[in-house]
Amino acid sequence: EPEVTQTPSHQVTQMGQEVILRCVPISNHLYFYWYRQILGQKVEFLVSFYNNEISEKSEIFDDQFSVERPDGSNFTLKIRSTKLEDSAMYFCAGRDRGPSPLHFGNGTRLTVT
Amino acid sequence: QQQVKQSPQSLIVQKGGISIINCAYENTAFDYFPWYQQFPGKGPALLIAIRPDVSEKKEGRFTISFNKSAKQFSLHIMDSQPGDSATYFCAATGTASKLTFGTGTRLQVTL
Repeated sequence: EPEVTQTPSHQVTQMGQEVILRCVPISNHLYFYWYRQILGQKVEFLVSFYNNEISEKSEIFDDQFSVERPDGSNFTLKIRSTKLEDSAMYFCAGRDRGPSPLHFGNGTRLTVT
Repeated sequence: QQQVKQSPQSLIVQKGGISIINCAYENTAFDYFPWYQQFPGKGPALLIAIRPDVSEKKEGRFTISFNKSAKQFSLHIMDSQPGDSATYFCAATGTASKLTFGTGTRLQVTL
């Protein structure tokens, strides 16, 4: 069964540094998402991406965040200047057209020190 | 209006028992209600989902009950097993919109 692949599985960075989280979605998916989950808390929506542009974003997704799908396969989340409160699990997800289920990757654990 | 409220926060059930997790939503535009199962260190995995045109959906030991007028839905796990121990999230979405998750229920099934 096809999978959503995320790299790295764990990223440790210093406050103020830039990080790029990478995702390879399932090939026939059209809608792409980033979610985050602070330890022990619920899964929070960050941004959705369709047809090479952001379709919706949350309050969390401020100017420090950006997303790209540069080569039609990889889908990246960049945090320009990380803060301690950015420490969380970041999940990439994708789905086909219509109200179809989201398929999640196994996440990248980001630790900001 | 985008919230999905989930209860209980944690649940302990004996092996063979029934686990019941409840969710309530506010946004009447929601038309797809999935449940996700998450094991530690893993991403959420789709378990079962329902649309509001039916009141119940069953897949194996997992059943969703849906009450459109009350804007509530619940997950029932029959004959709960230790391998079912995980965190369960209800969620809701409207057409082409983001998935909104509940706060999660940590289920522990004891022997």
